[in-house]
Amino acid sequence: RKEVEQDPGPFNVPEGATVAFNCTYSNSASQSFFWYRQDCRKEPKLLMSVYSSGNEDGRFTAQLNRASQYISLLIRDSKLSDSATYLCVVNLSRGNKLVFGAGTILRVKS
Amino acid sequence: DAGVIQSPRHEVTEMGQEVTLRCKPISGHDYLFWYRQTMMRGLELLIYFNNNVPIDDSGMPEDRFSAKMPNASFSTLKIQPSEPRDSAVYFCASSRPGTTHEQYFGPGTRLTVT
Repeated sequence: RKEVEQDPGPFNVPEGATVAFNCTYSNSASQSFFWYRQDCRKEPKLLMSVYSSGNEDGRFTAQLNRASQYISLLIRDSKLSDSATYLCVVNLSRGNKLVFGAGTILRVKS
Repeated sequence: DAGVIQSPRHEVTEMGQEVTLRCKPISGHDYLFWYRQTMMRGLELLIYFNNNVPIDDSGMPEDRFSAKMPNASFSTLKIQPSEPRDSAVYFCASSRPGTTHEQYFGPGTRLTVT
C-alpha cells in the first residue's frame, strides 16, 4: 500500500465551480500534512499546511481527519489559473522527510 | 533573492556515461533535498542533507547514485554509469531551519538517457 494515495483525476470543472480532492495516508503516526501545487513542467510549491482544526486561505480550505486518515482540499470559485496538479504531502514521524502523493490533476475550463 | 538554482536544465546522454547534476540552495537554508520525479513513481526523495551532512540516503536507488555537499552553497548528484531507467526530472529543494515542510524547489533537471 502506498504511504499517500490520491485520485489522479483529471478533474475537469468549469470556471466558478467548487471542487474537492481527498487524500489518504497509511501511517497513523504521521505528524503534519500539506498541499503542494505543481504547474505543468514546473517545480512543486507549497500551497498550504493542513491543521487538525481545518484552515482556510482565501478560496482554499484544507481539512484533516486523523481518525479516518484522510486530508481534503476544497477550492471554491475555481479560476483558470487553478489548473495544476495538487500534491498531498505527509511528514512522517521520523526525521524531516516529506512523502508526496502522486498528485491530482485539475483542469478548469472557461 | 535568488531561488534554488539547478544546472543543467536539460541533459541528454548515452547509457553508460557519467552524469553530474548541480544545485545551489537558497542562502541561509540548512536543509537540502534531492528528489526524482517520473510519471510512474511520482516524486521520490533520494537523499537529504542538514548542515552539509547526509542524513538519510535510503531513497538512493543503487550504488550508481551518489550525492555530495562540500559546502553550504553547493551540492551534486552523480549517476555513474547512467541507464535509460534513470530518465526523469531531478529536483533539488532547500528549507530554512525548523521549517523543513516548506521546501523551496529548484526548476529541476530533465535527464534523458538513451
